[in-house]
Amino acid sequence: QQQVKQSPQSLIVQKGGISIINCAYENTAFDYFPWYQQFPGKGPALLIAIRPDVSEKKEGRFTISFNKSAKQFSLHIMDSQPGDSATYFCAASRGTSYDKVIFGPGTSLSVIP
Amino acid sequence: ETGVTQSPTHLIKTRGQQVTLRCSSQSGHNTVSWYQQALGQGPQFIFQYYREEENGRGNFPPRFSGLQFPNYSSELNVNALELDDSALYLCASSPRPGGFTGELFFGEGSRLTVL
Repeated sequence: QQQVKQSPQSLIVQKGGISIINCAYENTAFDYFPWYQQFPGKGPALLIAIRPDVSEKKEGRFTISFNKSAKQFSLHIMDSQPGDSATYFCAASRGTSYDKVIFGPGTSLSVIP
Repeated sequence: ETGVTQSPTHLIKTRGQQVTLRCSSQSGHNTVSWYQQALGQGPQFIFQYYREEENGRGNFPPRFSGLQFPNYSSELNVNALELDDSALYLCASSPRPGGFTGELFFGEGSRLTVL
């Protein structure tokens, strides 16, 4: 059972454009929602994260929007740059117990000049 | 500060063999989690170790086993290798039991190919 769904599978954006990746989760016990960025040949690295008590979090060009009632969250990358080309994973975890982090299937982002 | 290091980086095995993968956690981190990442997929949780004991396990068969040592380093062992075990195996460390914050620090992985 896939607990975290992610779309689109791949995304091509022009330099300077906005990249949008959407995720949905099923388990209402999740209370921490990180996004990881992975470059080829590297392990994933934490990009930005949000807890469900806020609806939006912004760090530089990266913004997470969170809709608790819909059990959905999204990543927006403003002014996308070629260096942003990577695979992005949304994830979810529970903070109240020693638990595993559940990753979505990933979105391959290509930012073209 | 030393990051998470994994060895070997690449290895090739044949079906039925056994493999051991190693991981050194980031300095100050006492929890290690192992993930399997098939090509084009997201990482799948295998298990987590804290205080040298297994502390949570994903949907993987018993032929996947692990160890954690007093210095917090860890090993992943896979017996009776199958073709579907071909994947990137990622080790992640965290400064406290995993799942509390979701913040994991990953190594670059060990790429296993099973022929």
